[in-house]
Amino acid sequence: DAGITQSPRYKITETGRQVTLMCHQTWSHSYMFWYRQDLGHGLRLIYYSAAADITDKGEVPDGYVVSRSKTENFPLTLESATRSQTSVYFCASSESPGTLGLNTEAFFGQGTRLTVV
Amino acid sequence: LAKTTQPISMDSYEGQEVNITCSHNNIATNDYITWYQQFPSQGPRFIIQGYKTKVTNEVASLFIPADRKSSTLSLPRVSLSDTAVYYCLVGLYGGATNKLIFGTGTLLAVQP
Repeated sequence: DAGITQSPRYKITETGRQVTLMCHQTWSHSYMFWYRQDLGHGLRLIYYSAAADITDKGEVPDGYVVSRSKTENFPLTLESATRSQTSVYFCASSESPGTLGLNTEAFFGQGTRLTVV
Repeated sequence: LAKTTQPISMDSYEGQEVNITCSHNNIATNDYITWYQQFPSQGPRFIIQGYKTKVTNEVASLFIPADRKSSTLSLPRVSLSDTAVYYCLVGLYGGATNKLIFGTGTLLAVQP
C-alpha cells in the first residue's frame, strides 16, 4: 500500500534496552522526519533527513540515533531507553522544496506509542 | 527559524466561523506559512499553506497581511469533527533546509 507506515504501533520496553522504531514510505520523498509527542505537548523534532545518508539533529536529539541507508526507510533507535523517552513517536516525509518554494506538504504516519518501564 | 505564537485553546460552537491567529514577528523573506491539524491519536495533517495575501482551499482559508508578521487560519462553519489541535508553522521552503518545527498549537474545542 502506498503511504507512510510505522512499526510497531505499540511497544513496551525496559530501561536500558535498545529499541528501534521503523518508518517506511513509498513515495520516494527526499525528506523524512522523526518527532516525539508527550502528553499535553506539541510535536518536537528529534532528527530529520534530507536524503539517503544525510541526517541532521532536530530539537531533542539526545539519546537517539538515526540512519538512512535507503530513501524509503528512516529507522529511529533508542540506544539505551530511559523512562523519559516514553512518548508517542511520529515519522513524516515530504518532497524536497527545491528552489521554487513549492508546496512541501508533510505526510505523517500513525505513530508508535512507546512505553519504557 | 521564525518562532510562532498561537493561543493555547479556543472554544466554538457548531456552525460558527473560527479564526485562529498566529504571530510570527521575525518571519524571513523566504518563509512560507503552513497550518496542520491533529486529531487525538493521529499524526498531523496538512491543511493549508501560503506566502502572502489570501489562500483558500476546500477546507480553510489563510489570511496573511502585507507585513506577514501574523497569519489567520479561518475555518468556515465548524462542526464537532473540527475539534483538534491546529499548528502554525513558519519555515524555509525553496532552500536547502526543510526543517519542520511545530509549536504547541491551538486546541480548538467545538461544542454542539
